[in-house]
Formats: sequence, structure tokens, C-alpha cells
Amino acid sequence: KQEVTQIPAALSVPEGENLVLNCSFTDSAIYNLQWFRQDPGKGLTSLLLIQSSQREQTSGRLNASLDKSSGRSTLYIAASQPGDSATYLCAVREASGGSNYKLTFGKGTLLTVNP
Amino acid sequence: NAGVTQTPKFRILKIGQSMTLQCTQDMNHNYMYWYRQDPGMGLKLIYYSVGAGITDKGEVPNGYNVSRSTTEDFPLRLELAAPSQTSVYFCASSHDSGRAFFDADTQYFGPGTRLTVL
Repeated sequence: KQEVTQIPAALSVPEGENLVLNCSFTDSAIYNLQWFRQDPGKGLTSLLLIQSSQREQTSGRLNASLDKSSGRSTLYIAASQPGDSATYLCAVREASGGSNYKLTFGKGTLLTVNP
Repeated sequence: NAGVTQTPKFRILKIGQSMTLQCTQDMNHNYMYWYRQDPGMGLKLIYYSVGAGITDKGEVPNGYNVSRSTTEDFPLRLELAAPSQTSVYFCASSHDSGRAFFDADTQYFGPGTRLTVL
């Protein structure tokens, strides 16, 4: 059974700092990995999606990497801003036959960027 | 485009009552999903649909039912509500292209429905 773990559970940093959020998964047979942002009381917003054949994706100050063989992904946020404060969720889409449409989510990392 | 919309935003039910959570998307996505999110936990898939008329169970389907009569709508039905169904419910959609090896596209989420069963 696929399990997704995110470390740390919470992170507090001063504005301007570069930071890394970690995501690990137990079954490397995935089709893709997706990073989401969730603001309090809101739905999820997709940030980056990395296909299993890719190593990284970039969008603005965000960079996500994927090492499928070791079951790890990182989300790098450059020059953090208070507006980046949110919960960041990692989710993997499985490749096994009966679970093609299933996303397995981690519990998220709560990020606070202090002005 | 409004994206994925959900109604209601909040609801309180008594044990044993029934209700339908509405979900509509205007992106012509073929795939739609229902998730629940409990405090401190990741999202769990309840049901999903790969197209109109086709639905299938996810990880936690007990106590719920769905239907998909149109591409746009994917309602979630709770029969005989129980306190264990207190949660935040999210609907999502995606345009999975159906290419080889299920090269899936991004999932877009609605704002959620916060349900309390007392």
C-alpha cells in the first residue's frame, strides 16, 4: 500500500529565506507526483505536477524535483514571502492496474513565513 | 470559467438524515473525484468517475453514493448520516488524456463543503 510522508509537519521561517519541503513515498511505481497549496478553509491549488519520466518542474520561485527510484520529492521555494504561508501537500498517482486514478496524499507541511 | 464549484459551503446534519453535496465543473473534464479531509490527515478518495455514466469506488466509499449523468455534474449522496462523516468534502476534476500509461493531467479542486453530523 502506497504511503506518502511529508517532513517537516510544520516550518516557520523569516521572510526572504530559501526553503525546502520534503515528500517521500513507499512505492516507486508512480505515474506522477503533484504538489498542492491549501490556504486555511480553502480548497487545494495545484502548484506543480511532475510526470514519472521527469526529474523536475519549475514555476516562478518554485522548483520541484523527483527521484522516483529513491521515492523522494522536494519542493524548493526561493526568497519566501508572507503570502507563501499555507499548507503544502504532496500527492502521488499510482501506476498499478487497479489504482490508476487514485491520488495518495501526504498530511502536508504547514509553512509560516514571518515578515 | 468558474472551474469546480461546490454547494453548500457549510451544513449541519442530525444523525440519520440524508443530503446531497453538489459538484459542477465547467472545464469539460472527463474525470471527477470526491475526497474527504479529516483534521491532521491527508485527503482520502471516496468515489471517482472517468466519464458520464461511469463511477467507481475509492478508498473510503462506505456510507456514500454517487452518480454521473452528465459530464459537468458529480453529486455525492450521504444516506443515514453518522458522526464519522463529519469532515470537509472536496470535489475535483481533471482532463486525463487517456494516452498510453495514463499520462494524467492536473487535478483542479473545488472550495470544499464543511459537514458536521451531530
